[in-house]
Amino acid sequence: QKEVEQNSGPLSVPEGAIASLNCTYSDRGSQSFFWYRQYSGKSPELIMFIYSNGDKEDGRFTAQLNKASQYVSLLIRDSQPSDSATYLCAGYSSASKIIFGSGTRLSIRP
Amino acid sequence: KAGVTQTPRYLIKTRGQQVTLSCSPISGHRSVSWYQQTPGQGLQFLFEYFSETQRNKGNFPGRFSGRQFSNSRSEMNVSTLELGDSALYLCASSPVAGGAVNEQFFGPGTRLTVL
Repeated sequence: QKEVEQNSGPLSVPEGAIASLNCTYSDRGSQSFFWYRQYSGKSPELIMFIYSNGDKEDGRFTAQLNKASQYVSLLIRDSQPSDSATYLCAGYSSASKIIFGSGTRLSIRP
Repeated sequence: KAGVTQTPRYLIKTRGQQVTLSCSPISGHRSVSWYQQTPGQGLQFLFEYFSETQRNKGNFPGRFSGRQFSNSRSEMNVSTLELGDSALYLCASSPVAGGAVNEQFFGPGTRLTVL
């Protein structure tokens, strides 16, 4: 079992809709979680990080963390074609390492 | 403020050779982490350096090594290259050690091809 798991996609969402990206993790000692966006041929860029249970909102993005269920999600409201990218979920593990999931490819169709 | 820089951007080597990659973090950042990204394995942690000391290491063979200098610049070295070492090598910097609540900024990466 991978420490951080994501559905590889592709996830196709119509423009203007909500895109929901999900991630589960196996290390209960993981302290915090990160969502990165990676465009093809580019390096990852951090969108949000979250370390408390509940929701954290930043503009069109909302990260959700449920430590009991070991589940992290990222919601993107009013999806735009420019949101089409691979989204990487990462957790800061109890071994003090950042572990990345394999990423979910998101495609926003006009 | 300048971002993270990595050199070279592209590299072609043959099996058995060794390679050294360089990373200059954002000014004032003291932590540098290295990652390997491949289509099959995704983004995998190699090691983290802080104040010239290796803080943590991923599950890679000893052929992969690194170091950090007093100005926080870091190098990673791969000896006895194998075909499977072909990957994008990414460096990320953050202000302090530990990634629990620290934002990491990634460089553009070095694309290594081993023939």
